[in-house]
Formats: sequence, structure tokens, C-alpha cells
Amino acid sequence: DSGVTQTPKHLITATGQRVTLRCSPRSGDLSVYWYQQSLDQGLQFLIQYYNGEERAKGNILERFSAQQFPDLHSELNLSSLELGDSALYFCASSVDGTGIDEQFFGPGTRLTVL
Amino acid sequence: AQTVTQSQPEMSVQEAETVTLSCTYDTSESDYYLFWYKQPPSRQMILVIRQEAYKQQNATENRFSVNFQKAAKSFSLKISDSQLGDAAMYFCAYRSAKYGGSQGNLIFGKGTKLSVKP
Repeated sequence: DSGVTQTPKHLITATGQRVTLRCSPRSGDLSVYWYQQSLDQGLQFLIQYYNGEERAKGNILERFSAQQFPDLHSELNLSSLELGDSALYFCASSVDGTGIDEQFFGPGTRLTVL
Repeated sequence: AQTVTQSQPEMSVQEAETVTLSCTYDTSESDYYLFWYKQPPSRQMILVIRQEAYKQQNATENRFSVNFQKAAKSFSLKISDSQLGDAAMYFCAYRSAKYGGSQGNLIFGKGTKLSVKP
């Protein structure tokens, strides 16, 4: 158990819908990262937050957005879902997002878009 | 942009034997970090080993060791005395040490699926 929690574990929805994935980082970690793992694209970085502020952006679609709240939990919002958005979405956290501090991964949320 | 390449989609090893997984990367930066992550069938991402680019000494964690060749931009993972529990997908990852911008996020290779035969 990495200490990072993600809910829900599985999500099945239809095209065009909107979903919210939630992540709670390890106690004391200020930085949260979102990654998408799909068969086509592999593991891709989406976005990083540090203490409530966006720090880095990767290959995140405009239909996707995220935020980190004052209690440091983070949410990834996916809207106008397409079949290709089906993937495993990981959240990871680290102490401060600098240096070689380890990123601890949550168990992931499996999103299926039908 | 940095890229990570794992040229072996699948590898197989006999239990108790040694196997080496290959990884090459491309970067113009001089300071960075390299990682190997393991993803078993449970899908949990587990850090196996990490290496700071400024360190010449190869990292070692129990049965896992790396061969880091900075000039060749190569970062292979050696698993000694392979165990059934080592069967998993292994991902090589790169992380910039530069402050700001892309700092912090991991850039992953496509992975190598390791099978361990009893």
C-alpha cells in the first residue's frame, strides 16, 4: 500500500459524459501528478500540482481539467468522453516534486467509455 | 523533448537465473534522474530502483542493479536470482532535474513484459 488513495476503482460510462476521478496523496506530500495509461499511448503524464498550484502540464486534452484543493486532495475531471479516453488513470504523490523524491502511485482508476 | 526507449517488448527468464532489461533515453540535459518501475498484474506501480545522473556509481537494491552508461544514454536493469514474483511489466522512466517547467513528471518507456519460468 503506497498510501495514495484513488476513487473510484472502476468507472464505466458512456460517450459524451463527464466523470471526476479523485486522489488523496500520502500524508505530508504536497505534489500530486496525474498519469494516463492506455494501450495506444502507454504511460503519459497529464498534469502536476504542487500545494494547490498547477506546476506542469503534459499531454492533457482541453476536455480534461484538474485541481488540487486546500486539503491537498486532487480531482481530475474528464468531459465529453470519447471511446479513446478509456484507460487506467494513475495519481501519484511526492513530498515536494523536486530532486529525486520518490513518486508514490495510487492503485489507479480504470475508466471504460462505452 | 526527452524520450525513453525500451526495445524489448517481452523477455523471459528461468527462475533463479539472471536477466537484463534494456533502456535507452535521449536528452540534452546533463542533470536528471532515471527510474525503473515494476507493474505486476495488480496494476500497482512500484518503484524498483533509481539513479541520479551525476552519480557514477551504479545503484543497487538487493537483487536489482542497474548499469548506467551516461555517455551512451543507457540504463539497463539487471535482476539476479529471478523469482516468480518478479513477473511483471517493467518501465524505465526519466525525470528532469531542471527546476520549473517539466520538472517532476516522469517520462516512461513503453515497458518490457517479464515472464519468469519455474
